[in-house]
Amino acid sequence: DTGVSQDPRHKITKRGQNVTFRCDPISEHNRLYWYRQTLGQGPEFLTYFQNEAQLEKSRLLSDRFSAERPKGSFSTLEIQRTEQGDSAMYLCASRSTGPNEKLFFGSGTQLSVL
Amino acid sequence: AQSVTQLGSHVSVSEGALVLLRCNYSSSVPPYLFWYVQYPNQGLQLLLKYTSAATLVKGINGFEAEFKKSETSFHLTKPSAHMSDAAEYFCAVSDNAGNMLTFGGGTRLMVKP
Repeated sequence: DTGVSQDPRHKITKRGQNVTFRCDPISEHNRLYWYRQTLGQGPEFLTYFQNEAQLEKSRLLSDRFSAERPKGSFSTLEIQRTEQGDSAMYLCASRSTGPNEKLFFGSGTQLSVL
Repeated sequence: AQSVTQLGSHVSVSEGALVLLRCNYSSSVPPYLFWYVQYPNQGLQLLLKYTSAATLVKGINGFEAEFKKSETSFHLTKPSAHMSDAAEYFCAVSDNAGNMLTFGGGTRLMVKP
């Protein structure tokens, strides 16, 4: 168990630029989740995948956001035309299927939009 | 819709004192409830979870939480605080076993020597 890995740890970008984050879940986990956490708040659910299928998307996920998990392993989250309000910590988590399976979180990607 | 309210964004206790972090939830279905801890520069770690079995749930690091349906509460306690307990704690609710968690705003626990 090498844990959930996220890359990069930090990203600074200018408003209007596109950014992409990567998440590598624990290898045997078929469910992968994206959350967003702003300063002083708890994480907010964005979307989740079971294998390569995106099963749920939050209303928080505007059209500028897109997530993929093409082969059911790693996932990418892309934000187009970034805005200052997108500045947040983007968290990835994974788990196996089953009601009592534990959710494992990565350390997150901190995005700062200038 | 589900929601979680954590009373007190900051809690300060002395080392060795009782830790009590409050969480109240709102759910239209029997809830699954969770407590997570977040240390600086680390991912969220599960402390404990309630899944409709025993109402008193024991977790890691000496923490426990009691589910009280009548009070819609799931407060987190630890009898004796340790310096290493200083962290951010999040309560969360789900309508199933873990998809789409709804988190509270968090409580930062500070432990004084």
